[in-house]
Amino acid sequence: DGGITQSPKYLFRKEGQNVTLSCEQNLNHDAMYWYRQDPGQGLRLIYYSQIVNDFQKGDIAEGYSVSREKKESFPLTVTSAQKNPTAFYLCASQDKVSFRGTEAFFGQGTRLTVV
Amino acid sequence: AQKVTQAQTEISVVEKEDVTLDCVYETRDTTYYLFWYKQPPSGELVFLIRRNSFDEQNEISGRYSWNFQKSTSSFNFTITASQVVDSAVYFCALSEAYRSGGGADGLTFGKGTHLIIQP
Repeated sequence: DGGITQSPKYLFRKEGQNVTLSCEQNLNHDAMYWYRQDPGQGLRLIYYSQIVNDFQKGDIAEGYSVSREKKESFPLTVTSAQKNPTAFYLCASQDKVSFRGTEAFFGQGTRLTVV
Repeated sequence: AQKVTQAQTEISVVEKEDVTLDCVYETRDTTYYLFWYKQPPSGELVFLIRRNSFDEQNEISGRYSWNFQKSTSSFNFTITASQVVDSAVYFCALSEAYRSGGGADGLTFGKGTHLIIQP
């Protein structure tokens, strides 16, 4: 089945540690995204990538980094510079080739908690 | 800048009642797209509907219907004869064509409405 896989589902981080969230898609989509969701808040865009080896900052990129070495993979690293990393992180992909408002497909999310 | 407002933080109704979720948006672009997503407790966002700014026709899909009105910048979502399985957080989202430049640079989401359907 085609879809987006995020791992792990739950992740605990100690203060000062970097952690990496995985996102893999087998939909052959060009564009991929990372969103952050806080309780009672909508989704906010962290980073996005329209093509391999290229990515752009979203609205809240500070304290995060990404890479796009393969079309199907878009990992997100939460660095120690992110002051409040506890949140729910969602990865999404979109078929850029036919993009004119096509829908984005989402993974099941990773819940990150700082301990 | 674009903005999506979902003023209803939480709505609770009894099963079989009709319920409408409000969405108001702001954009400077004349070409844009509106979406509704459902987020069940599992966390994954499920796509429900897409509407482009040139198509103001209302749409009905089973118990779901959507009312798009450019004059009031609203894209409201109605569930008829609600069921317990409809309980979820619902998000309205906006994408502007000019911002994408032909590419894809993400959606602007509202804060969501938590819908509770009581049996």
